[in-house]
Amino acid sequence: DAKTTQPPSMDCAEGRAANLPCNHSTISGNEYVYWYRQIHSQGPQYIIHGLKNNETNEMASLIITEDRKSSTLILPHATLRDTAVYYCIVRSGSGNTPLVFGKGTRLSVIA
Amino acid sequence: GAGVSQTPSNKVTEKGKYVELRCDPISGHTALYWYRQSLGQGPEFLIYFQGTGAADDSGLPNDRFFAVRPEGSVSTLKIQRTERGDSAVYLCASSLTPLVGPSGYTFGSGTRLTVV
Repeated sequence: DAKTTQPPSMDCAEGRAANLPCNHSTISGNEYVYWYRQIHSQGPQYIIHGLKNNETNEMASLIITEDRKSSTLILPHATLRDTAVYYCIVRSGSGNTPLVFGKGTRLSVIA
Repeated sequence: GAGVSQTPSNKVTEKGKYVELRCDPISGHTALYWYRQSLGQGPEFLIYFQGTGAADDSGLPNDRFFAVRPEGSVSTLKIQRTERGDSAVYLCASSLTPLVGPSGYTFGSGTRLTVV
C-alpha cells in the first residue's frame, strides 16, 4: 500500500518557485520523509530528507507540517532542468529497509 | 568509477531467452540495490545486497529472476525464460553502507530491457 499521495502532474513557470505537495497521513514517529527526482532517461537522484524540522540544502527546501501528515518540497527558482518526476517517500529511520517508490509528481517547468 | 555503471544500456532479446544485466557500483560501497521500472511507474524494489549476501530478495517477482554479487562489488541480475512482461528499465543503486540510508543512494542510468 502506498504510504504517500502526490498529484500526478504540475506545471511551473521558469524562475518561479515550484511547490510540490505530499500527503503522508499514516506516517509514524520514526519515519522520515525523503524526496528524490528522476530526470528523463536517468536514475533517481536524492534531493533532501527530514524528520520533523524544516530542512534546506543547495537544491531545495522541505517543509513538514507540525502534525507530520504532509510536506512540501520547494524549488525556489525553477529552471527548465528541474523538469522531472519527483518522488516523496516515507521510510523508517531504523533498519535497512529499501526505498519504496510511488508514481510521483511529474513537474513540467515552462519557459 | 565516479558513479554506478550499468551495462548494457539497452538489451533486446527474444521471448524465452536468458539475459544477464550487470551493475558496477561505486568503489567501496557495500550495499547494492536492484529495481525495475515500467513505463509511467516508479521504480519497484527487487533485491538488496549487503556485501556478497542478499539481505532482502522479497521483491523478486518469481524464480526466473536471480541476482548474484560474488565478490561484494559487481552484481549481475539474471533473468531466465524471459517474457514480454519483463520489458522494463532495470536500475541499480549503491550506498556506502545500508546504515547511511537513502540519502546515500546513488543510482545508475539503468538497462532498458525489451523482450520481443
